[in-house]
Amino acid sequence: DVKVTQSSRYLVKRTGEKVFLECVQDMDHENMFWYRQDPGLGLRLIYFSYDVKMKEKGDIPEGYSVSREKKERFSLILESASTNQTSMYLCASRIRNEQYFGPGTRLTVT
Amino acid sequence: EDQVTQSPEALRLQEGESSSLNCSYTVSGLRGLFWYRQDPGKGPEFLFTLYSAGEEKEKERLKATLTKKESFLHITAPKPEDSATYLCAVHSGAGSYQLTFGKGTKLSVIP
Repeated sequence: DVKVTQSSRYLVKRTGEKVFLECVQDMDHENMFWYRQDPGLGLRLIYFSYDVKMKEKGDIPEGYSVSREKKERFSLILESASTNQTSMYLCASRIRNEQYFGPGTRLTVT
Repeated sequence: EDQVTQSPEALRLQEGESSSLNCSYTVSGLRGLFWYRQDPGKGPEFLFTLYSAGEEKEKERLKATLTKKESFLHITAPKPEDSATYLCAVHSGAGSYQLTFGKGTKLSVIP
């Protein structure tokens, strides 16, 4: 079974804090993705990584950065959290042509 | 730019009342069309991949079909546990590994 895990289900942070969201997959997949999902806007791609230390910007990278030091782990970093980054964050991992998602992290920035 | 439009936005069905969800797409070179199911507060769960017009995939009460411009997710004799948001996404030749998602159809099946 494909398994993608995310470090937290719910997170509450204050404006200006540095936030780390972690994603781990145990299937040796090369490609990993970070999305955010907002009502009325659907899923939007923030960043993806096609191999260790390799990354590409998605559609909405502003205010975010990523890190992939090991194949199984892909981190999303909010350098200085803002209230407009309150959202559901979803990590995905790709095998063949299919993406498999983690359970999501509901982040609230106050 | 790839575009995916799902309709209707929301659908209420009585238990046992069959229906279809629509996903229309505009892409430059389709490399795959995907259906996902998403329960509230959870990540999307992969259902099907379709690659070429005429292809069909089935799983329990769900059947996905594909034409050159749209895909349908047919739900036969739905049960309350089929209630969820169903997402459609496309992978095209224009992007590297990116998927373009529709906004989903929220299905409610009433007992």
